[in-house]
Amino acid sequence: DTAVSQTPKYLVTQMGNDKSIKCEQNLGHDTMYWYKQDSKKFLKIMFSYNNKELIINETVPNRFSPKSPDKAHLNLHINSLELGDSAVYFCASSQDWDEGETQYFGPGTRLLVL
Amino acid sequence: GDSVTQMEGPVTLSEEAFLTINCTYTATGYPSLFWYVQYPGEGLQLLLKATKADDKGSNKGFEATYRKETTSFHLEKGSVQVSDSAVYFCALTIPSGGYNKLIFGAGTRLAVHP
Repeated sequence: DTAVSQTPKYLVTQMGNDKSIKCEQNLGHDTMYWYKQDSKKFLKIMFSYNNKELIINETVPNRFSPKSPDKAHLNLHINSLELGDSAVYFCASSQDWDEGETQYFGPGTRLLVL
Repeated sequence: GDSVTQMEGPVTLSEEAFLTINCTYTATGYPSLFWYVQYPGEGLQLLLKATKADDKGSNKGFEATYRKETTSFHLEKGSVQVSDSAVYFCALTIPSGGYNKLIFGAGTRLAVHP
């Protein structure tokens, strides 16, 4: 069983479209995250939820909206996609949000905006 | 602000060579320190971590020691294998209200040749 899974694995779409990426974890963790990895492999946190509540909201365009229907799921919806949104998006989870807790990453969703 | 600086890659080694990847950090307080590894086409996996000064993290022959005096967490392995070829990320989390936000270095690509 995959611990942290993401769908889809690849996403190719046109500028201006709206798309969603889904993430699920079966580890029983309370905290989930979204990270963005750009073309130079640089990783930066976008959001974090703890028990369905938003606790980290970095400087991200408001076209990006996370949603956590329950603590095992954290989805990312992106409106009006732009070329610069092309990246790999990683979901992660940890037992809780205490500093130093190990985060477990999903396989990533590679988004290409044309 | 809080940041992580890694040596630039790529690092190219022959099998059985000694590996060092340098990592230094800037942080308020005493962060936890991590090394994550990303194999081609995959997500990130925790390689090792250390949560306080002088702690040594180790896993799969890799080691890193948390050095507060030099604010460093260099990754070492005595004898690399072709299967170690990957991108290695040094990262930290900030105590005191950081909500377990991982701050990553730029990553160092390692290529090991037979």
